Parts: sequence; structure tokens; C-alpha cells
Amino acid sequence: AQTVTQSQPEMSVQEAETVTLSCTYDTSENNYYLFWYKQPPSRQMILVIRQEAYKQQNATENRFSVNFQKAAKSFSLKISDSQLGDTAMYFCAFMNVNAGNMLTFGGGTRLMVKP
Amino acid sequence: EAEVAQSPRYKITEKSQAVAFWCDPISGHATLYWYRQILGQGPELLVQFQDESVVDDSQLPKDRFSAERLKGVDSTLKIQPAELGDSAMYLCASSTRQGLVGANVLTFGAGSRLTVL
Repeated sequence: AQTVTQSQPEMSVQEAETVTLSCTYDTSENNYYLFWYKQPPSRQMILVIRQEAYKQQNATENRFSVNFQKAAKSFSLKISDSQLGDTAMYFCAFMNVNAGNMLTFGGGTRLMVKP
Repeated sequence: EAEVAQSPRYKITEKSQAVAFWCDPISGHATLYWYRQILGQGPELLVQFQDESVVDDSQLPKDRFSAERLKGVDSTLKIQPAELGDSAMYLCASSTRQGLVGANVLTFGAGSRLTVL
């Protein structure tokens, strides 16, 4: 079974600054995807960014980028130029392609962007 | 934009009562997931369907929980009897069939928040 660990329960950042959220995972699989999902207060979960395990290049989506270290089983999310609307719970997630695309989440990091 | 529909949005019930949640995935999505999210924690997979078949229900407490997707479209998650520890958000998500483009991207519904008194 896969496990996903987010070691930072809460973080805060000043508006316009950069913040990095950490995630580690444990798996023996080679065919998988990694994701960061955002869950704003009282709103639904939305996808922020995804990374295919077979790709060495780190994924980037506008202000969001990841640092994927496959050997270390680490997958951190960097948010640049933080905005107030980035305030949310952020969940790291692992998808096992060999298990029917089963998606396992970490415990989450609560991010507060301060004005 | 297509959405995953869930109802009810909120449900308050007393322990030992029965409760049911409904999910209508995005049209054409073959894979449907039910997650339970306790406040302040990450979602935990309860059951995953591919069409009408269960892919995984290893974390579903089968003594009180049941899930079905009879025609491979919408799905119902039932709890009977409800217990205090079942208070949580129940999230439904869907994706295209495994192997197709976009199959690794889940679209989530707004969730059904259950409070058991």
C-alpha cells in the first residue's frame, strides 16, 4: 500500500512571497502519478498540478511548480507570488496506475496567505 | 463546465439512523470514487467503481456501509446504522476510463457533510 506524508500541518506566507509545501511518499510502484490538490474553505477540491513519474522534468502551471525527486520519493509544491486566493488546504496525492488509478491523499497542509 | 453532482449537501441525523448519499458523475466518466474526509484530515478512499464494478472497497466498513452503481452511471452510498464517528464530509469524484486521455484527473463534487448526533 502507498502512503503519502505531509509534514507541515499549517503554514503561512505573506502576499507576493514564495512558499514551499513538502510531501513524501512511499511506494514500490514504478508507474504512478503525483498531484497537488487545493481545497479552499467550504469549497470543492480542485487540481493544482500533476506530475508523471516517468518524466524527469518538473511540472509547472503558472505560479505553481513542483520539485519531483523520484529517488528520494519527494514531491514538493512551490507557490510563487502568493495571492490571498491561495489560502486553502493543500493535499498531496499519489495515483497507482497499476491499481486501477487508485488515488491516495496525504493529511494536508493548511496554507494561510497574509495581506 | 461539467460538474459532479452530490446530494444532499448537508445531513444531520441521529445515531442508529440510516442515511444515504447520491452522486451523479460527469457524463461519460466510467470511474467513480467515494471518499470520506474527517474535518482537518485528508480524504480516505471508501470505494472505487469502474462502470458498475467495484475496483476497490478494502477500506469500506462493510458492516454498516454499502455502495452501489447499478447502471454504471450514478451511485449511492448508504450508512446503516450511523455512528457518531461517521460525522465527516463524503466526497464523490469521477474520471474517464483508465487508459483514456485524462483518466488520471479526478473531478470532485462539492461533497455531502454528515453530522451524526
